[in-house]
Amino acid sequence: GAVVSQHPSRVICKSGTSVKIECRSLDFQATTMFWYRQFPKQSLMLMATSNEGSKATYEQGVEKDKFLINHASLTLSTLTVTSAHPEDSSFYICSAPKSPGEAFFGQGTRLTVV
Amino acid sequence: QKEVEQDPGPLSVPEGAIVSLNCTYSNSAFQYFMWYRQYSRKGPELLMYTYSSGNKEDGRFTAQVDKSSKYISLFIRDSQPSDSATYLCAMSVNTPLVFGKGTRLSVIA
Repeated sequence: GAVVSQHPSRVICKSGTSVKIECRSLDFQATTMFWYRQFPKQSLMLMATSNEGSKATYEQGVEKDKFLINHASLTLSTLTVTSAHPEDSSFYICSAPKSPGEAFFGQGTRLTVV
Repeated sequence: QKEVEQDPGPLSVPEGAIVSLNCTYSNSAFQYFMWYRQYSRKGPELLMYTYSSGNKEDGRFTAQVDKSSKYISLFIRDSQPSDSATYLCAMSVNTPLVFGKGTRLSVIA
């Protein structure tokens, strides 16, 4: 299957600092990528849609200034959690569709803010 | 009514059993149907991908889509302890995907 690489897999940061998470499609181009957040024993919650060459689309209730998304190329999207606080601690996952409906996921990033 | 309903379980079966996982949905426009397997603290892994109605088989896994009933199923034959994971159904009109809550499956050796 197609490969989507997400980095880092785990990060611990101090409260008030920013953290960048990268998502790369390794063997296909993705004009759109998706960022999800997942709480323990919960399903994935869509945060935003990353669009190559244009602004990201955020879901209702997601702070644009807190979660900065940049889709710099057809194979790379980044999510930056700015001024992180303990309540931002979560599992963040990106996905990229190779074809309509067929989405592949990254390995996920476990963020812990201390 | 939520767009996609999935029983969260947990579901516990003995090794070798046939497992049946199901989802129902309300949006008749959905045309892409997927099943993902997610191990703890890992990203979801695409297991099965089906367009429109019908059956699809891949090894021990069979996916069924019944659009008339708005019902999809995943069957796992000869279940193994390594199948223990959370199984998420997902569907879409195009993108993005709409997920079920996931069913936690435990296969006991």
